[in-house]
Amino acid sequence: KAGVTQTPRYLIKTRGQQVTLSCSPISGHRSVSWYQQTPGQGLQFLFEYFSETQRNKGNFPGRFSGRQFSNSRSEMNVSTLELGDSALYLCASSLLYRVGTEAFFGQGTRLTVV
Amino acid sequence: EDKVVQSPLSLVVHEGDTVTLNCSYEVTNFRSLLWYKQEKKAPTFLFMLTSSGIEKKSGRLSSILDKKELSSILNITATQTGDSAIYLCAVAPPQETSGSRLTFGEGTQLTVNP
Repeated sequence: KAGVTQTPRYLIKTRGQQVTLSCSPISGHRSVSWYQQTPGQGLQFLFEYFSETQRNKGNFPGRFSGRQFSNSRSEMNVSTLELGDSALYLCASSLLYRVGTEAFFGQGTRLTVV
Repeated sequence: EDKVVQSPLSLVVHEGDTVTLNCSYEVTNFRSLLWYKQEKKAPTFLFMLTSSGIEKKSGRLSSILDKKELSSILNITATQTGDSAIYLCAVAPPQETSGSRLTFGEGTQLTVNP
């Protein structure tokens, strides 16, 4: 059974540009969450999608957005990139939209903004 | 605001030592606590503890949840160099407000020297 797949693995962008990251959850999983990991802030919740609807959103500016498709794959978009957006972006998939359900993470996308 | 604090932030031991990692939380109506191991990028799931399962064990790793003290410990006995990683503690608040959203601590960087 394939795990969570995130693409691309590495990305270098310039300030002001926008970027789209992709996440394919484990087959059969319907909930996808996104997290940002930085050395200073640790893992911080961005948003969660279930059945193509955003269910929860973390404390991030509107430049961060996402969506989920009917096959549960999810994308997140960051517009007008800032240097501080440099981070490891992790996607986690869960079987259902339910607290306490084990969340399985992908390898992440390392975004560098220059 | 929900808060998860891990200690120590960094720990260096020798192979064969036993280590105890700590996690305390301030989460309203806590439902479950999860431990992850992060070696390079993807955090890998270790344990999930709930009110109905306050103690888990797998090989040399074990974890206990103390609901009264709002804390958990992760024990690793007979440590090996392969245990070197960041250990993350995460807490899941009630489903009705947060779905699968997890609040993470900063992590404990464990280094096991031969």
